[in-house]
Amino acid sequence: EAGVTQFPSHSVIEKGQTVTLRCDPISGHDNLYWYRRVMGKEIKFLLHFVKESKQDESGMPNNRFLAERTGGTYSTLKVQPAELEDSGVYFCASSLRSGTVFNSPLHFGNGTRLTVT
Amino acid sequence: GNSVTQMEGPVTLSEEAFLTINCTYTATGYPSLFWYVQYPGEGLQLLLKATKADDKGSNKGFEATYRKETTSFHLEKGSVQVSDSAVYFCALTYRAGGSYIPTFGRGTSLIVHP
Repeated sequence: EAGVTQFPSHSVIEKGQTVTLRCDPISGHDNLYWYRRVMGKEIKFLLHFVKESKQDESGMPNNRFLAERTGGTYSTLKVQPAELEDSGVYFCASSLRSGTVFNSPLHFGNGTRLTVT
Repeated sequence: GNSVTQMEGPVTLSEEAFLTINCTYTATGYPSLFWYVQYPGEGLQLLLKATKADDKGSNKGFEATYRKETTSFHLEKGSVQVSDSAVYFCALTYRAGGSYIPTFGRGTSLIVHP
């Protein structure tokens, strides 16, 4: 089974530019999460999709961040315009949606390291 | 709110030493608890989990017990190896409306020397 894949692995952009991150979850996983980790700090929740629907986006920092998951497959996270504080590692994770979703572990991608200069 | 607190790192040990990484949590209701591990250059992967009080999760020589009375889920291993060097994240899953939100700590870096 292919794992969660994220693209690109690294991105360096200037303040004010736009960047789009992509996540391909494991096939059949309805739950898709985006997280961000700033160096040395906790992994912070951004949002949660169930299929194509945004179930919870309470962690999105502001309206410069836009996430989509068209057709309930891959997801994109766009930052426009990027600011210095957006730098960090963006992780995507997926899990099964089932009667035991509460206990289903997350499968993570390797992350996208975003640097805004 | 729901949160996880981990001990500060890095933790530096010699091979075959005993490991403890402390984790305490704050949660409403009855969360499930997890430890994830991130090896260099990779994404996080599940190490072990426990879904109710007094459950013990174990995997690869690591174990952790869900202690409701102390709201803790400390990770232990009796004899660490160089290959255990990684960042370890404690996490809980709680219910928010119709959604289940996994919440992570800040991670504890483990460095094991030969």
